[in-house]
Amino acid sequence: AQSVTQLGSHVSVSEGALVLLRCNYSSSVPPYLFWYVQYPNQGLQLLLKYTSAATLVKGINGFEAEFKKSETSFHLTKPSAHMSDAAEYFCAVGGTGTASKLTFGTGTRLQVTL
Amino acid sequence: GAVVSQHPSWVICKSGTSVKIECRSLDFQATTMFWYRQFPKQSLMLMATSNEGSKATYEQGVEKDKFLINHASLTLSTLTVTSAHPEDSSFYICSARVREGTGGGYTFGSGTRLTVV
Repeated sequence: AQSVTQLGSHVSVSEGALVLLRCNYSSSVPPYLFWYVQYPNQGLQLLLKYTSAATLVKGINGFEAEFKKSETSFHLTKPSAHMSDAAEYFCAVGGTGTASKLTFGTGTRLQVTL
Repeated sequence: GAVVSQHPSWVICKSGTSVKIECRSLDFQATTMFWYRQFPKQSLMLMATSNEGSKATYEQGVEKDKFLINHASLTLSTLTVTSAHPEDSSFYICSARVREGTGGGYTFGSGTRLTVV
């Protein structure tokens, strides 16, 4: 079975500050890990994914995440927050097959203040 | 990139009626489509996995007769909420996985906001 835990349902940062959203995973097999962003009343947009290649993954909009097997973590970071980053962020774990389902964390709402 | 088109974006229906939500993969073939439900300020909960040409696999606790899933072709999957009630009001999202050769990512539809009155 696979699962992810997102620590912190709500994170608030100032514009220009570092963004750190935490995600820990549990998987009995090498996982595929994903970060998605969701804006209100919209679907999910892929930020980045880890698929067993480089452990430091760079995504869109300046986000990146580092896969740390020893810590079973896949935290999402961005050096400098922008107002447009305010949204809901979901960490998810999936398998390797095309029929493998994604299991989502509970989500973290990022608020960016002036 | 791979696109899943989901329609309608929002729908309001009367209690007791049925609503159909469509998801089409526009530039790839989706042998498997996933259907999620999302309550306000909550995460996505997988309802069922639809497979082209076969019966859908439902998650525990999801009523098969209420949430009918059809995946008749490699580019179209539908979710029909039958005899809808106010408690079925929610945000429904479909997803498909692009083939491994493109990196194994999942692509999502834009979601359907269902309100049952």
